[in-house]
Amino acid sequence: DAGVIQSPRHEVTEMGQEVTLRCKPISGHNSLFWYRQTMMRGLELLIYFNNNVPIDDSGMPEDRFSAKMPNASFSTLKIQPSEPRDSAVYFCASSFDSGRQETQYFGPGTRLLVL
Amino acid sequence: GDSVTQMEGPVTLSEEAFLTINCTYTATGYPSLFWYVQYPGEGLQLLLKATKADDKGSNKGFEATYRKETTSFHLEKGSVQVSDSAVYFCALSGAAGNKLTFGGGTRVLVKP
Repeated sequence: DAGVIQSPRHEVTEMGQEVTLRCKPISGHNSLFWYRQTMMRGLELLIYFNNNVPIDDSGMPEDRFSAKMPNASFSTLKIQPSEPRDSAVYFCASSFDSGRQETQYFGPGTRLLVL
Repeated sequence: GDSVTQMEGPVTLSEEAFLTINCTYTATGYPSLFWYVQYPGEGLQLLLKATKADDKGSNKGFEATYRKETTSFHLEKGSVQVSDSAVYFCALSGAAGNKLTFGGGTRVLVKP
């Protein structure tokens, strides 16, 4: 299995630009999670989907952030407009929700730098 | 709500030393407990897990026992290697479905 795939791996952009991060979960998994990791705030859950439906978006920082999951094999996290404080590593993770608290599998992350 | 507290790092050790990273939790019900490891430049990987009280998770020489009476899940390894240098995260999955609650992470540095 290829594991969780994220693209791009690195992104450098200027303040005000739109940024789109992409994630392909492990085939057969029905839950998908977006996390942000910074030195100051550690690992934060932004949003998670179950069967392509957003279940909890309470961690999304503000309206500049949006996430979609149009089908079971693809999700995007968009930041528009981007700001320097959005610089972080963004991780996508997936799992199979059997109702028994299954393991989450993480992608390699997208390292975002907003100048 | 659910929370996880783990010791702050960095923890610096010599090779072959004994490693303990403390982790305590607060949760309703009967959570599952996890240790994840993050090597430099990589995503998090599951190291071990335990799903009920008194279960012991183990992998790669690491162990942790689910202690309900002390609400703890301390990570131990008897003899660390330089390759164990990483950040270790304790986490729980509670009543809120598949959602994980992470501790702040503990950076471990093993010197030759």
